[in-house]
Amino acid sequence: GQSLEQPSEVTAVEGAIVQINCTYQTSGFYGLSWYQQHDGGAPTFLSYNALDGLEETGRFSSFLSRSDSYGYLLLQELQMKDSASYFCAVKNEGKLIFGQGTELSVKP
Amino acid sequence: DGGITQSPKYLFRKEGQNVTLSCEQNLNHDAMYWYRQDPGQGLRLIYYSQIVNDFQKGDIAEGYSVSREKKESFPLTVTSAQKNPTAFYLCASSPLSDRDYGYTFGSGTRLTVV
Repeated sequence: GQSLEQPSEVTAVEGAIVQINCTYQTSGFYGLSWYQQHDGGAPTFLSYNALDGLEETGRFSSFLSRSDSYGYLLLQELQMKDSASYFCAVKNEGKLIFGQGTELSVKP
Repeated sequence: DGGITQSPKYLFRKEGQNVTLSCEQNLNHDAMYWYRQDPGQGLRLIYYSQIVNDFQKGDIAEGYSVSREKKESFPLTVTSAQKNPTAFYLCASSPLSDRDYGYTFGSGTRLTVV
């Protein structure tokens, strides 16, 4: 089967940097995705890593190590609007399997 | 603008009733999905479809049914066999691919049993 592990919650202050980790166990791995979901809203796609290394998109970066079955999402220059849940996900047999989500609280 | 439309936004179901949640997309995506989300939890896959007139069960299909008669539409029926249906239901679509180009999600339907 597939499983993804990520911390349930993280707290940080405005302007800081935070890292959300994700470890996965899956057969047939193609890549690791990250999604953001604000309270009561729909998830939105942030990034996808198919190869090892760091991908940067503005204030957000995502990292993958396939040999360690591990990835992380890095958020820099945190803003209050970054308070949300963040999900890692892997694609398996044509469908995305999501982790339980990490609730990020950004404090002033 | 292309996107996914889910309706209704809120739905109330009486015990023993079947209810159907609508999901329509105009993104020309081949694949469509239904997920269930409980408070403070991740997204669990109910059903998915990669082609018209074909669909597969996800991890929690019991008590649910779907149809895919048109590429644009993927309605979900919550049957009376689903004993704990109160949850947030999310529909999504994507191109067919082994990589993730990003699912597009609808705004969700919040179902409550009364």
